[in-house]
Amino acid sequence: DTEVTQTPKHLVMGMTNKKSLKCEQHMGHRAMYWYKQKAKKPPELMFVYSYEKLSINESVPSRFSPECPNSSLLNLHLHALQPEDSALYLCASSQDWGLGNSPLHFGNGTRLTVT
Amino acid sequence: QKEVEQNSGPLSVPEGAIASLNCTYSDRGSQSFFWYRQYSGKSPELIMFIYSNGDKEDGRFTAQLNKASQYVSLLIRDSQPSDSATYLCAVNGRNSNSGYALNFGKGTSLLVTP
Repeated sequence: DTEVTQTPKHLVMGMTNKKSLKCEQHMGHRAMYWYKQKAKKPPELMFVYSYEKLSINESVPSRFSPECPNSSLLNLHLHALQPEDSALYLCASSQDWGLGNSPLHFGNGTRLTVT
Repeated sequence: QKEVEQNSGPLSVPEGAIASLNCTYSDRGSQSFFWYRQYSGKSPELIMFIYSNGDKEDGRFTAQLNKASQYVSLLIRDSQPSDSATYLCAVNGRNSNSGYALNFGKGTSLLVTP
């Protein structure tokens, strides 16, 4: 079982809906990440939070809004998504961010379908 | 964008053989190298990480790093059908936002045949 928990596992939403993806880790890690992965492609970095502060935003459209309420929780708020946003959304955590030397531990992901 | 290159495969090996997965990277400043296994429809799972030149062994897995050649590999001994998956190489490096992030290769698909 993964130590990074993501909910929900599957999500189907319309283009006018607002939904949120949730991620939780209890490993004491100080960095948390959102990745997006399309079929047969590598994970693409979206956001990095380090010590609860947004450290990297990879020019992600504003219809994706991250939130880090505390060091254990990471949310991704979704609004007015497009069908091309359908993908596997992966949360990950690492001991720290810094130089990128810490291994990432991924959650099981949320399979998102936008209709 | 720093490049991490992998042969997409599929790499097919018979059960019990050694599978050799290779990865090259472009950023000479990279210090950390990771291998992830990803089954179809699942999330990536950390298999190995290596920071220093040479070999690092963990059970049936061996990671090999040659920084001079900018080359990292993963050997899987006594391959099993359950090893059939996509293997992602990830290398740390500077990204466009003046921070560091893992750059992933496109992955190599491994098929172990009984």
